[in-house]
Amino acid sequence: AQSVTQLDSHVSVSEGTPVLLRCNYSSSYSPSLFWYVQHPNKGLQLLLKYTSAATLVKGINGFEAEFKKSETSFHLTKPSAHMSDAAEYFCVVSDLTGGGNKLTFGTGTQLKVEL
Amino acid sequence: NAGVTQTPKFRVLKTGQSMTLLCAQDMNHEYMYWYRQDPGMGLRLIHYSVGEGTTAKGEVPDGYNVSRLKKQNFLLGLESAAPSQTSVYFCASGSGVETQYFGPGTRLLVL
Repeated sequence: AQSVTQLDSHVSVSEGTPVLLRCNYSSSYSPSLFWYVQHPNKGLQLLLKYTSAATLVKGINGFEAEFKKSETSFHLTKPSAHMSDAAEYFCVVSDLTGGGNKLTFGTGTQLKVEL
Repeated sequence: NAGVTQTPKFRVLKTGQSMTLLCAQDMNHEYMYWYRQDPGMGLRLIHYSVGEGTTAKGEVPDGYNVSRLKKQNFLLGLESAAPSQTSVYFCASGSGVETQYFGPGTRLLVL
């Protein structure tokens, strides 16, 4: 079975400083991995996805993530945080066995951006 | 282009009452999903469908039923609501390994 572990439940950064949200995954085969963002009282929006192409994946709003198989990690980064980045971020792994594309979500990381 | 829509946006039920949540998508996606979101637990898959007329159980299916009579609609039913089903429910749709697109959510409070 697939699983993801988000290592920090809360991260606080100052505006203009780098963001690092950590995610480790467990999978019995080469996984597809995603990062989704959820702003307060909103639905989920895809930031980026890895599906066995380039290991460095660029997403929307300046976010990127690097797939590291040796470390089973898929950390999300952004060089410079903006106030509008404050939200909850979910690392997600997909499971294609048995039909469908079943997503397993991490427990989320709440990102706070301070002036 | 509406994407994925959910009805209703918010509902309050009493224990034992029943209700149906409706999800509709206009992207011609084969796959549709129902998730619930609870604090500190991320989203968990309740049921899913890989095509019209098909349904399958996800991680937390107990207490819920689903139907996919039309490709564009996926219904989630609660036959006898319990306080433990207080949650935010999200519907999603997608095609195979591609991105899942999420609806805005339905907040359900069971008293």
